[in-house]
Amino acid sequence: KAGVTQTPRYLIKTRGQQVTLSCSPISGHRSVSWYQQTPGQGLQFLFEYFSETQRNKGNFPGRFSGRQFSNSRSEMNVSTLELGDSALYLCASSLGWEVEAPRGTEAFFGQGTRLTVV
Amino acid sequence: AQKITQTQPGMFVQEKEAVTLDCTYDTSDPSYGLFWYKQPSSGEMIFLIYQGSYDQQNATEGRYSLNFQKARKSANLVISASQLGDSAMYFCAFRGGSNYKLTFGKGTLLTVNP
Repeated sequence: KAGVTQTPRYLIKTRGQQVTLSCSPISGHRSVSWYQQTPGQGLQFLFEYFSETQRNKGNFPGRFSGRQFSNSRSEMNVSTLELGDSALYLCASSLGWEVEAPRGTEAFFGQGTRLTVV
Repeated sequence: AQKITQTQPGMFVQEKEAVTLDCTYDTSDPSYGLFWYKQPSSGEMIFLIYQGSYDQQNATEGRYSLNFQKARKSANLVISASQLGDSAMYFCAFRGGSNYKLTFGKGTLLTVNP
């Protein structure tokens, strides 16, 4: 079955602009999480959506927002871009609830969107 | 808050040998999961193996096995018969309770030498 698809793969934006990243989870998965990866801070959790509702949020400013659609696809938006927002943004897909088999908690990642802010 | 520690910034191993990547965690959650991911230079995070806190046996997936020592709060990844394609960053991650947030360690860069 198809994996997690993130678009676009690469993006170059100017400081002050806004950007929208997209993530299509594995079919049947209802949880989508977003992570930011930078050399200095490593992998940091942004937020998680389940059935169109934000369930968890990390410690990021309000410029970072997201949403999830009824088909579980998710978008992440960053407004008023700063140079420090340059990073690899990764999306993870999970079933989203505990199931009998431990596989329910596994998270599968997309290839990421590499955002460069200049 | 949960904390994940990977003490080895870099590791070297000869092709066909086994290697152990260390991971310790700190939590008060009674129920949690531990994950290992591989990240090649392309950037994609590849799921390798999962261990639940209540699992009675250590997880295994092909050449990957997880040495889970609950009392010591360690979840080391063992890669048997290393291959050149195993060269990558390896991340240990923790998920606690009903929270689907993953907390990652800093990673270990594994280099497999021919």
